[in-house]
Amino acid sequence: KNEVEQSPQNLTAQEGEFITINCSYSVGISALHWLQQHPGGGIVSLFMLSSGKKKHGRLIATINIQEKHSSLHITASHPRDSAVYICAVRFGKTSGSRLTFGEGTQLTVNP
Amino acid sequence: GAVVSQHPSWVICKSGTSVKIECRSLDFQATTMFWYRQFPKQSLMLMATSNEGSKATYEQGVEKDKFLINHASLTLSTLTVTSAHPEDSSFYICSARAGEDGFEQYFGPGTRLTVT
Repeated sequence: KNEVEQSPQNLTAQEGEFITINCSYSVGISALHWLQQHPGGGIVSLFMLSSGKKKHGRLIATINIQEKHSSLHITASHPRDSAVYICAVRFGKTSGSRLTFGEGTQLTVNP
Repeated sequence: GAVVSQHPSWVICKSGTSVKIECRSLDFQATTMFWYRQFPKQSLMLMATSNEGSKATYEQGVEKDKFLINHASLTLSTLTVTSAHPEDSSFYICSARAGEDGFEQYFGPGTRLTVT
């Protein structure tokens, strides 16, 4: 069964802390997405990864294909980073397969 | 990066009426668009996949006569909720696939539908 698991489910941090959110999946994938969903509901695509590491501002995403694991890091966290972070995976080797979503991690950053 | 827009961002309608939600890819051509539904505190649930110029493929349990999807051009897909019922109240999100290999996928901001 193709599964995506995120941890932790909920995370509370103090402003300035380094944050890590994890995503594990069950079988081989062709792409992994990290998404951010703010309280109003809008979804922002943060990263799409198939290997290695990507960085954008204070956000870093890594993926280890052999271990079937990805992490999203936030450096110098800020209250505006408070949101739900969702890992979504495309199983298989082709672009035709659908995305499978993790349950999301609710991040709250307190000032 | 690529931008996907949705209109309206929120809508309130009465039971029995129909509501149309538009999804546009603003700066790229999207051969495939996806429609998702999200209930509070839950993850996105795929409703249907639409390819430009052809009929949408609906997921099991999604009523195609209730949720009409039209993908008339490479930049526009519409979802029409027909004979809306309060249980249709939800957050509807579209997503468009871009890129030569089709792996890139971008999400719209979502439309919150409330049926009274």
